[in-house]
Amino acid sequence: DGGITQSPKYLFRKEGQNVTLSCEQNLNHDAMYWYRQDPGQGLRLIYYSQIVNDFQKGDIAEGYSVSREKKESFPLTVTSAQKNPTAFYLCASSIAGGQDTQYFGPGTRLTVL
Amino acid sequence: GNSVTQMEGPVTLSEEAFLTINCTYTATGYPSLFWYVQYPGEGLQLLLKATKADDKGSNKGFEATYRKETTSFHLEKGSVQVSDSAVYFCALIPPSGGSYIPTFGRGTSLIVHP
Repeated sequence: DGGITQSPKYLFRKEGQNVTLSCEQNLNHDAMYWYRQDPGQGLRLIYYSQIVNDFQKGDIAEGYSVSREKKESFPLTVTSAQKNPTAFYLCASSIAGGQDTQYFGPGTRLTVL
Repeated sequence: GNSVTQMEGPVTLSEEAFLTINCTYTATGYPSLFWYVQYPGEGLQLLLKATKADDKGSNKGFEATYRKETTSFHLEKGSVQVSDSAVYFCALIPPSGGSYIPTFGRGTSLIVHP
């Protein structure tokens, strides 16, 4: 079955540590996205990539970094510069270049201790 | 810029009641419009979509009609079930000329009681 996987499901981090969230898709989609979800705030875009080796900042990129070395993978690193990283993180993908449906992974819940 | 406004939740209904969740949008041209559903602890799933004015999207008993004149895409279901309890997100993707980045509403929580 085609889809998007995110790992781990739950992640705990100490303050001051960087942590990387995994996102893999086998849908052969060109575009991939990272969102942050906080209660009552909907989805906020962190980074997106429409092609391998290229990515753009979204609305809340500060304190985050990404890479897109392979079409199927788009890992997100939450750095120690992110002031309030505890949140639910969602990865999504779509066929680039059009008004197409986004397909979402199951999410990773990050808690900073 | 583009924006999506959804009614505040939670919406609390009894089983078999009629559901309406309002969604209005601001965008130039003809965006594509979407409803996504999120069950607790999961990612979003596409519920339905519409790509041009007067189109009706439908799935699993849910419907929404793309109304250009009122810039609305309200979600309706004739008879809700307990299993419909979830958070519903309205979203748009702008037409050509941009980066096709979606804009999401804040989500509306639906609670259905037996």
